[in-house]
Amino acid sequence: EVQLVESGGGLVQPGGSLRLSCAASGFTFSSYDMHWVRQATGKGLEWVSAIGTAGDTYYPGSVKGRFTISRENAKNSLYLQMNSLRAGDTAVYYCARGWNSWFDPWGQGTLVTVSS
Amino acid sequence: QSALTQPASVSGSPGQSITISCTGTSSDVGGYNYVSWYQQHPGKAPKLMIYEVSNRPSGVPDRFSGSKSGNTASLTISGLQAEDEADYYCSSYTSSSTVVFGGGTKLTVL
Repeated sequence: EVQLVESGGGLVQPGGSLRLSCAASGFTFSSYDMHWVRQATGKGLEWVSAIGTAGDTYYPGSVKGRFTISRENAKNSLYLQMNSLRAGDTAVYYCARGWNSWFDPWGQGTLVTVSS
Repeated sequence: QSALTQPASVSGSPGQSITISCTGTSSDVGGYNYVSWYQQHPGKAPKLMIYEVSNRPSGVPDRFSGSKSGNTASLTISGLQAEDEADYYCSSYTSSSTVVFGGGTKLTVL
């Protein structure tokens, strides 16, 4: 069974940093693009970052320069390093397996709260 | 990159058909056949329902179908069932090598 399990969420002060992890199982992790998508409470989905099989990375303007996506194929793991966090970054963060820019499956999500 | 435009809400009675639109630009929806649709029930992770405009993953009922015309993609659900009540999101690849989502549509089954 394909499974993605996020961890690392929590409460952080504005300006602080947090590192999210996503443990993958049930598929050949190194063969797939991987993504992070977030959702603020009561709001829609927002794509946050992607990493290709060759390690190429992509970000929207809202997080570029603050967030860094990485992967460790030997550990079947995906990461998101988030720096200079703002209140607007508060959301549930999902990792998702990607293929041609569609996402399947998604993890259960981890909540990040940026507040003083 | 602006979000794709979806209606905030749609509704239908059991057995009826509904269509949710997703409007973008020639730099996203209109430029690529990489439009996908997701269903999200409250408190749950999104689930892929349609990929590459009109393809259904295994396990998704054939009541769900997708199409595209110009800069607008559509998700049609026929034979509405109570369990179809959920939020639906479209997404598209963009010319900037990014992905953009729609604002989401709340489907109510009356």
